[in-house]
Amino acid sequence: NAGVTQTPKFQVLKTGQSMTLQCAQDMNHEYMSWYRQDPGMGLRLIHYSVGAGITDQGEVPNGYNVSRSTTEDFPLRLLSAAPSQTSVYFCASTSPSSFGGRGNTIYFGEGSWLTVV
Amino acid sequence: GQNIDQPTEMTATEGAIVQINCTYQTSGFNGLFWYQQHAGEAPTFLSYNVLDGLEEKGRFSSFLSRSKGYSYLLLKELQMKDSASYLCAVSLFSGGYNKLIFGAGTRLAVHP
Repeated sequence: NAGVTQTPKFQVLKTGQSMTLQCAQDMNHEYMSWYRQDPGMGLRLIHYSVGAGITDQGEVPNGYNVSRSTTEDFPLRLLSAAPSQTSVYFCASTSPSSFGGRGNTIYFGEGSWLTVV
Repeated sequence: GQNIDQPTEMTATEGAIVQINCTYQTSGFNGLFWYQQHAGEAPTFLSYNVLDGLEEKGRFSSFLSRSKGYSYLLLKELQMKDSASYLCAVSLFSGGYNKLIFGAGTRLAVHP
């Protein structure tokens, strides 16, 4: 069982370049989300999806696009990279029963370290 | 807006007990999570509280008071490997969906 797979693990971009961070899960989870983590700021929610074809903005959506064409995949696109987007990005997936239930089935990917120069 | 506060840093001695507090002011509260995160790694689940009271799991316990918007994580018999960041996260129910919002995290350093 692969869980949540994120790629790439490390990436260096030049300002203005575009790229896509890939996230895939094989647990048939409805909920998927993207977070960024900066020093001293914890994880901040960028975008999330509650099912195929449904996405919504989180706390810090500017500069990022997402789509959810399948249950398994939730890519995060940087349209024109900026140095302020240098961060560690985490993808997470879960099922609705985790909220209000035992809450122990939120899975995180291993993270993607992105540097924009 | 949503606000989650926890101390930035704490230090403790190996073998001791430490309590990490988390206060929150949110709307649509639907549960509180604690995660452990070692440097360079993804967060890993520690505990979840949705009702008031104490949840115990081995050396780790978590407490919730919904009326006070307050939770704590209690770590007993501290070990060096417990040196990590501890993240408090609140599940919010809004617009028919749940979202998980994190606090900034508490960096715990365990000394011999």
